[in-house]
Amino acid sequence: GENVEQHPSTLSVQEGDSAVIKCTYSDSASNYFPWYKQELGKRPQLIIDIRSNVGEKKDQRIAVTLNKTAKHFSLHITETQPEDSAVYFCAASRNSGGYQKVTFGIGTKLQVIP
Amino acid sequence: NAGVTQTPKFQVLKTGQSMTLQCAQDMNHNSMYWYRQDPGMGLRLIYYSASEGTTDKGEVPNGYNVSRLNKREFSLRLESAAPSQTSVYFCASSDQTGGNQPQHFGDGTRLSIL
Repeated sequence: GENVEQHPSTLSVQEGDSAVIKCTYSDSASNYFPWYKQELGKRPQLIIDIRSNVGEKKDQRIAVTLNKTAKHFSLHITETQPEDSAVYFCAASRNSGGYQKVTFGIGTKLQVIP
Repeated sequence: NAGVTQTPKFQVLKTGQSMTLQCAQDMNHNSMYWYRQDPGMGLRLIYYSASEGTTDKGEVPNGYNVSRLNKREFSLRLESAAPSQTSVYFCASSDQTGGNQPQHFGDGTRLSIL
């Protein structure tokens, strides 16, 4: 089955600096890669996603890159702010008989220090 | 439009007790999922329902049962609760029409088994 590895498990950055979270996946059939942000005690919420036919996607201060050959994808947050502090999960997903088979990474706890 | 609604939000059980976690979505999604979230282990799939009338095991199904009551509702039952089932449980839904789409999560149920 699919295996998603996520690094680092914790990340501390100064406000205004950039943060990068990296994930690798094993199943070459995975074709959809969402990123979720989970604030303490809250639900995971989608912040950005990328499909396998695209190499990079940006949304304001957040960007995701995908390297299908190497089977890795990364989340980039620029100009970090204290409200970016949360746990971030990457995921790899593929269709499997009408069902979306999603495998999550273990999460990265990002702390932005004011 | 409430999205995905889970009840209860908190529950404490004694070992051996049973209970049902409720989940409902109002987005007309065809697929629904139950995950558990434990520290350092990310989100692990317990059961899923690709469409109304179908359910299947995920990664960690032992000790659980599910019912897809209709398109809106997907319940998770613990028949005989064990301390190892202490966790935060998230229900999610997604619309698979046209390919992979992001999952929408409920607020979670925090369950403690004594």
